[in-house]
Amino acid sequence: DTGVSQNPRHKITKRGQNVTFRCDPISEHNRLYWYRQTLGQGPEFLTYFQNEAQLEKSRLLSDRFSAERPKGSFSTLEIQRTEQGDSAMYLCASSRFDRDGNTIYFGEGSWLTVV
Amino acid sequence: RKEVEQDPGPFNVPEGATVAFNCTYSNSASQSFFWYRQDCRKEPKLLMSVYSSGNEDGRFTAQLNRASQYISLLIRDSKLSDSATYLCVVLGPSSASKIIFGSGTRLSIRP
Repeated sequence: DTGVSQNPRHKITKRGQNVTFRCDPISEHNRLYWYRQTLGQGPEFLTYFQNEAQLEKSRLLSDRFSAERPKGSFSTLEIQRTEQGDSAMYLCASSRFDRDGNTIYFGEGSWLTVV
Repeated sequence: RKEVEQDPGPFNVPEGATVAFNCTYSNSASQSFFWYRQDCRKEPKLLMSVYSSGNEDGRFTAQLNRASQYISLLIRDSKLSDSATYLCVVLGPSSASKIIFGSGTRLSIRP
């Protein structure tokens, strides 16, 4: 499978614990995005990278959230001291941004439940 | 005002009907537009890009109106399998712009 891969697919954690999600983008894609989605809402932008550089972070991304893409390939999203409001699906997407466009492709998402 | 706005629906139409959705965007300099389809508890998947001249893919037609800052999606001869949430997606004006999603329009096709 050469699509965007995310793991774990499901995570249940107790409030206050830390969680980390990993995303492996499509190999030739230079951009990688993280979104959060709750039921009935569209994906909310969290942050994105071009290669290893983090170009933008949403104000939604509190200091408990951190994302990295150390070698410009896979990325991790860590949530520290989780809260019940963090329960959502965390979507990773990647794209090959060039003058021909910027179509993005999503992974299947990582579902987080904070209890 | 939200950067990308959609009517959440739900649109409940009979099989075979024609249905249309609009999506408005706030940044007049936005450069690229897409429609994504999302099934329940699944990831969004690209349905089609939206070009300035309008484009068609089978039963689906997408149009862009820059003057009024909206894009539209028309589905003809709707099928039961078209039931899903349709997300409007907008890319901002610069190469460093992020991609913004609307909240989605729910469509339900009844037999």
